[in-house]
Amino acid sequence: RKEVEQDPGPFNVPEGATVAFNCTYSNSASQSFFWYRQDCRKEPKLLMSVYSSGNEDGRFTAQLNRASQYISLLIRDSKLSDSATYLCVVTTGNQFYFGTGTSLTVIP
Amino acid sequence: ETGVTQTPRHLVMGMTNKKSLKCEQHLGHNAMYWYKQSAKKPLELMFVYSLEERVENNSVPSRFSPECPNSSHLFLHLHTLQPEDSALYLCASSQVAGRAYGYTFGSGTRLTVV
Repeated sequence: RKEVEQDPGPFNVPEGATVAFNCTYSNSASQSFFWYRQDCRKEPKLLMSVYSSGNEDGRFTAQLNRASQYISLLIRDSKLSDSATYLCVVTTGNQFYFGTGTSLTVIP
Repeated sequence: ETGVTQTPRHLVMGMTNKKSLKCEQHLGHNAMYWYKQSAKKPLELMFVYSLEERVENNSVPSRFSPECPNSSHLFLHLHTLQPEDSALYLCASSQVAGRAYGYTFGSGTRLTVV
């Protein structure tokens, strides 16, 4: 079983839409959780950390559900510039585990 | 210059060639990493160095040989590669091995093996 699983998409949504991505992880001992954003042919960059209490950064909201072992990312009022691949990242011990990423295209 | 810098940005090499990828970080971090990113696959951790010592080697074939001469520089020496080794190779660094704080990626080297 993979450490981290994501729906690869692609998600094609109109500008202004709300879109949500989910990611599941297999190890209940995982400690830290993140969402990274990767633009085409660029390196991944940290978008936000994910906390059990949920956290928000502008139009982006991240949630962690430890009981069900999944994390989510909600993007409200999508912008064209949100088009990218969103990677779920989980740390277990000293290891970082990356999901395959979910591709998002926001359409005018 | 700040951040994590990788050179070259693009590399095309034959299966009999020997080449090296270079990574340099100016963040004062103690840990550096090599990742491989192939199409449709998750990022694969290849090597982890902490304070210039290799602490992780995830069953990487010996045709990939890392070198960390100091905490700011990391190399990946390549020889007799296969076409399936074509991928984006990403370097990253962090303050402490395995810890998320300050985890930063370089812009990668896109390698094509012909």
